[in-house]
Amino acid sequence: EVQLVESGGGLVRPGGSLRLSCAASGFTFRNYWMSWVRQAPGKGLEWVANIKHDAAEKYYLDSVKGRFTISRDNAKNSLYLQMNSLRAEDTAMYYCARERRFYMDVWGKGTTVIVS
Amino acid sequence: IVMTQSPDSLAVSLGERATINCRSSQSVLYSSDNKNYLAWYQQKPGQPPKLLIYWASARESGVPDRFSGSGSGTDFTLTISSLQAEDVAVYYCQQYYSKPPYTFGQGTKLEIK
Repeated sequence: EVQLVESGGGLVRPGGSLRLSCAASGFTFRNYWMSWVRQAPGKGLEWVANIKHDAAEKYYLDSVKGRFTISRDNAKNSLYLQMNSLRAEDTAMYYCARERRFYMDVWGKGTTVIVS
Repeated sequence: IVMTQSPDSLAVSLGERATINCRSSQSVLYSSDNKNYLAWYQQKPGQPPKLLIYWASARESGVPDRFSGSGSGTDFTLTISSLQAEDVAVYYCQQYYSKPPYTFGQGTKLEIK
């Protein structure tokens, strides 16, 4: 079964840091671009960052550039999001998603980040 | 690219047709492959989004055929031909035409009338 499982969310003070992880299984992780997408409470979806299958390309939402870093470990079938200098507006459910030709075909259940 | 959906919310009777619109601020039709770089997702309460439609009109495997996507360029439509109770959800369009950031519409909440 194709699966993505996020972890690492929690409550953090403004200015603090968190590292989210996403464990992939059931598919050849190293062949896919991967994304992080977030959803603030009661709001819509917002793409945050993505990374090419070999990590040679990374892209970020303007509001997180310089604060968030996306990375991956293909040997461990894992995706990461290092979040520094967190702000209240970063409070959201963070989803890990697999990209298939740039649209997102598999999503994890998400991990909650609260900055307060 | 800014994605704008209409309406923001919609109430439709069971068995009736539901239509959700999505407009992009610039064309998402890529001339080299003649594909519209647009997807539709369904999100039920407490669940992650689920891919319904990609390339504007290609239905994802396992998605019921009452869901269909149409449109080209800047104007797109998601149609549910005969609304079922399990279709109550928020629906999002997303463009993946340009290099990131990918952008989503604000969402359309679909309810039963």
